[in-house]
Amino acid sequence: EVQLVQSGAEVKKPGESLKISCKASGYIFTSYWIAWVRQMPGKGLEWMGIIYLGDSDTRYSPSFQGQVTISADKSIRTAYLQWSSLKASDTAMYYCARRAVVGYFDYWGQGTLVTVSS
Amino acid sequence: EIVMTQSPATLSVSPGERATLSCRASQSVSSNLAWYQQKPGQAPRLLIYGASTRATGIPGRFSGSGSGTEFTLTISSLQSEDFAVYYCQPYNNWPLHTFGQGTKLEIK
Repeated sequence: EVQLVQSGAEVKKPGESLKISCKASGYIFTSYWIAWVRQMPGKGLEWMGIIYLGDSDTRYSPSFQGQVTISADKSIRTAYLQWSSLKASDTAMYYCARRAVVGYFDYWGQGTLVTVSS
Repeated sequence: EIVMTQSPATLSVSPGERATLSCRASQSVSSNLAWYQQKPGQAPRLLIYGASTRATGIPGRFSGSGSGTEFTLTISSLQSEDFAVYYCQPYNNWPLHTFGQGTKLEIK
């Protein structure tokens, strides 16, 4: 069974750093891309970027380029999303999702709620 | 960049009735379109891919149609569990995977 299990909720202060994770199981990890999707409170889905676990090839949405870093450690089947300096506007739910070979997102993690508040 | 426009923003329908949701692309995406359902407090779930193919486990009352720039998601007889937000997404605009803004389906 394919599963994406994300790390738990985080509460941070502005300016702090953060790295959240998405651990995959149930499939050949290195054969698929993993995407990150933001959902701000009461808003829609925003695609942030995507990483290929085979060689860590990474692509970003222009809206998120330079704002976050996507990485992966294939030895532990885990993808990451990180911030070097959080802002209050980063408060959101973040989802990881597996990109099927054809292109749609067929499996989703349960989400990680990030709250940034002073 | 392909821009997806969903309409209406909110759709009020009574249980048992049919719901029709629309998604328009700013340029052709052929049949490379997916629909997702998101219930409150839950992660999105894949409903339809290839514009008209139901994902595993999706009930037959959900159907997708269209190609090119105009797409429709139809729910033939609304059940209580179908009231949710629905998003469309083209997936042939590599590397972009932008979603439509969503349609909220609410109980009338």
